[in-house]
Amino acid sequence: GAGVSQSPSNKVTEKGKDVELRCDPISGHTALYWYRQSLGQGLEFLIYFQGNSAPDKSGLPSDRFSAERTGGSVSTLTIQRTQQEDSAVYLCASSLSAGPETQYFGPGTRLLVL
Amino acid sequence: RKEVEQDPGPFNVPEGATVAFNCTYSNSASQSFFWYRQDCRKEPKLLMSVYSSGNEDGRFTAQLNRASQYISLLIRDSKLSDSATYLCVVSPTGTASKLTFGTGTRLQVTL
Repeated sequence: GAGVSQSPSNKVTEKGKDVELRCDPISGHTALYWYRQSLGQGLEFLIYFQGNSAPDKSGLPSDRFSAERTGGSVSTLTIQRTQQEDSAVYLCASSLSAGPETQYFGPGTRLLVL
Repeated sequence: RKEVEQDPGPFNVPEGATVAFNCTYSNSASQSFFWYRQDCRKEPKLLMSVYSSGNEDGRFTAQLNRASQYISLLIRDSKLSDSATYLCVVSPTGTASKLTFGTGTRLQVTL
């Protein structure tokens, strides 16, 4: 079946612009996660959605970052007023349910802020 | 101190060799442990879960030492296709869905 998909695959933007990154989880997966991977760094947790519960936003690095998940499926990560340090690969993952289930990752969006 | 620490490597080994990676974690209350594999410019993929009793999957063996708070991954009879970065992943108690990733250990298997 189809895996997690993300778009765009690459995004180049200018400092100060807003960007939106999209994630389509695997159908039927109730849990969705966003991570960020900077060059030479480990994956950094950003935000987690589980069903209709309030999202766990504890990993968002600043108030310029926000995410939503509409209809329990597609999620959008928005970065406002981008900074050069936001350049990274943004990875989305989904899992069948909450708990330490296997998380399936999308291919990521490579963001470059000039 | 990082929550999950790994030797970044690279580990350069010849085909057929046995190689072992260790990983240490700081949260003694952590409950779930995994090894993920990440190929260059690709997304991470689950390699195997790590159980208290240790577990084996073909050429791969994972072990957990709760007392010393470390996890190991042993790869026997290395193949060229094993070349990748191996990520140690820990799930903390209470927020079991929020995985904490190490920065990874890079393995390069050569002819």
